[in-house]
Amino acid sequence: DGGITQSPKYLFRKEGQNVTLSCEQNLNHDAMYWYRQDPGQGLRLIYYSQIVNDFQKGDIAEGYSVSREKKESFPLTVTSAQKNPTAFYLCASRTAGGHQPQHFGDGTRLSIL
Amino acid sequence: QKEVEQNSGPLSVPEGAIASLNCTYSDRGSQSFFWYRQYSGKSPELIMFIYSNGDKEDGRFTAQLNKASQYVSLLIRDSQPSDSATYLCAGGPSYNTDKLIFGTGTRLQVFP
Repeated sequence: DGGITQSPKYLFRKEGQNVTLSCEQNLNHDAMYWYRQDPGQGLRLIYYSQIVNDFQKGDIAEGYSVSREKKESFPLTVTSAQKNPTAFYLCASRTAGGHQPQHFGDGTRLSIL
Repeated sequence: QKEVEQNSGPLSVPEGAIASLNCTYSDRGSQSFFWYRQYSGKSPELIMFIYSNGDKEDGRFTAQLNKASQYVSLLIRDSQPSDSATYLCAGGPSYNTDKLIFGTGTRLQVFP
């Protein structure tokens, strides 16, 4: 089945630890996005990428890093510099250009131990 | 600061009624508008999108766009309890960015 796969579904981070969230899509979409959702705050953009080997900071990039080595994959690393990482992380993708919508994966819920 | 604004609700409607969800946006350069439904603890699911002034219908859903007033709405006819969720409005991309701007969502409750 075509879709966007995020893993793991739940993740726990210890103090001082970096963790990586996986996002893989087999929809042949050009653009991929990472969002963070906190209760009552809607979706905030962390990073996005329109083509392989290129990405741009979103509105809340501090404490996060990404890579885009393959079209299908856009992993997000939550570094120890992110002091409040507890949130619901959502990956999305879309065909670039025009009016094409973003489609979302099922999300990863990250908590601090 | 480019914004998309929604009333947080909850909007409560009886089963079978029409639910009307509204959204305003500040960026006149936004090219398209999207409505997503999000059940508690789940990821957003695309309901509809619209990019031309006027109405667009898909089954029980109608999206309406008024670019002059910078206003977008979603009508849900014959509302069902299963429609109870948070509805997110998003606008974009704009002329110089690929980003979408999301509202904080309106919680809809459909009671039997």
